[in-house]
Amino acid sequence: NAGVMQNPRHLVRRRGQEARLRCSPMKGHSHVYWYRQLPEEGLKFMVYLQKENIIDESGMPKERFSAEFPKEGPSILRIQQVVRGDSAAYFCASSQTSGVSILGEQFFGPGTRLTVL
Amino acid sequence: KQEVTQIPAALSVPEGENLVLNCSFTDSAIYNLQWFRQDPGKGLTSLLLIQSSQREQTSGRLNASLDKSSGRSTLYIAASQPGDSATYLCAASFGNEKLTFGTGTRLTIIP
Repeated sequence: NAGVMQNPRHLVRRRGQEARLRCSPMKGHSHVYWYRQLPEEGLKFMVYLQKENIIDESGMPKERFSAEFPKEGPSILRIQQVVRGDSAAYFCASSQTSGVSILGEQFFGPGTRLTVL
Repeated sequence: KQEVTQIPAALSVPEGENLVLNCSFTDSAIYNLQWFRQDPGKGLTSLLLIQSSQREQTSGRLNASLDKSSGRSTLYIAASQPGDSATYLCAASFGNEKLTFGTGTRLTIIP
């Protein structure tokens, strides 16, 4: 049983470049969440997606950031024209369902650590 | 505003002692609460999930409680071991799917 997979684990980009972070949810999970952990800060919610739909993007910066979860393939978090302040650990989580039930438990991947030079 | 707070930020305990980590939240309309462990430079490992209808959950040496009326959850670790050293995070779901995280308690078990 593979857990949530993220790649790459480490990503270095220069200012102005694009960063693409990938997340494959656990088998049988159709709900994906992205969180960001800035240095010395707690994890903050960014976006919640189901297949082909963005359900809640209230935590996403309004510019340069986008996310998708296509019918086939992994979820992608895309950051355009990166700046130094984007340097952080980006975590993906998945769950079988959402809401109150025990099946809404979120399982986290190992994260992608983005460094912007 | 829905917030989750963890105090203290850091805790050191001699090996073998029992300990309690605290988590408080501002909204009693909580759906569920999860406790996680995070090792330096690593991802999050889910330890326990407590649903709003439950009062506690147990897994091995860990016991988590939930008191909605007081806005508190505790994680009890029995017979602590050096391998328990990590940052412990609590996170709450307040009627939507996203988790709101506390800033964590960094636990050090002293051999």
